[in-house]
Amino acid sequence: GENVEQHPSTLSVQEGDSAVIKCTYSDSASNYFPWYKQELGKRPQLIIDIRSNVGEKKDQRIAVTLNKTAKHFSLHITETQPEDSAVYFCAARSSSNTGKLIFGQGTTLQVKP
Amino acid sequence: KAGVTQTPRYLIKTRGQQVTLSCSPISGHRSVSWYQQTPGQGLQFLFEYFSETQRNKGNFPGRFSGRQFSNSRSEMNVSTLELGDSALYLCASSSAGGDTEAFFGQGTRLTVV
Repeated sequence: GENVEQHPSTLSVQEGDSAVIKCTYSDSASNYFPWYKQELGKRPQLIIDIRSNVGEKKDQRIAVTLNKTAKHFSLHITETQPEDSAVYFCAARSSSNTGKLIFGQGTTLQVKP
Repeated sequence: KAGVTQTPRYLIKTRGQQVTLSCSPISGHRSVSWYQQTPGQGLQFLFEYFSETQRNKGNFPGRFSGRQFSNSRSEMNVSTLELGDSALYLCASSSAGGDTEAFFGQGTRLTVV
């Protein structure tokens, strides 16, 4: 069935370091891969997404890469700041006519000042 | 443009009761998806409505149901509440699904006692 595996479950970095979170999906029909940031007590917020016809996308300190052959996609955060501390979720959506997102289990990122 | 609005924000119910949650999507969005978020299970897909029709359904018991109105507002209903139904219920709206962005509401925190 459809599944998204996310690693690591927790990640602690020093301010200014880079952070990488990796996800693997099972449904080869998936064509849309968003990343969400969820701060404590708040809604998941879309921070970046990538579509299957693109291998990499960057937005300031955040980048996402996609390897369709390996069914991997990753989130890269450079020059981390304490305000980056949150839970990050990856997700995948099938190319079929649907709004359904399959989420990874989440990564708790702690950026230490 | 107003964001996704969920009401109520908090609910406390007793086992065996039923509950109805509401979600108003972003204006112009026709797809509304519902998710259950718990610490142990992460974000689990409940169902999706598009143009008043259920387009997709997750693996939840029949006690969980929903509907969508002609103005795209959606409701979900949980009957015969169980303690395990305590969770944050999130809805997400997107214009069509597929590779379009999904934006979340703030959620309804349901506590079953």
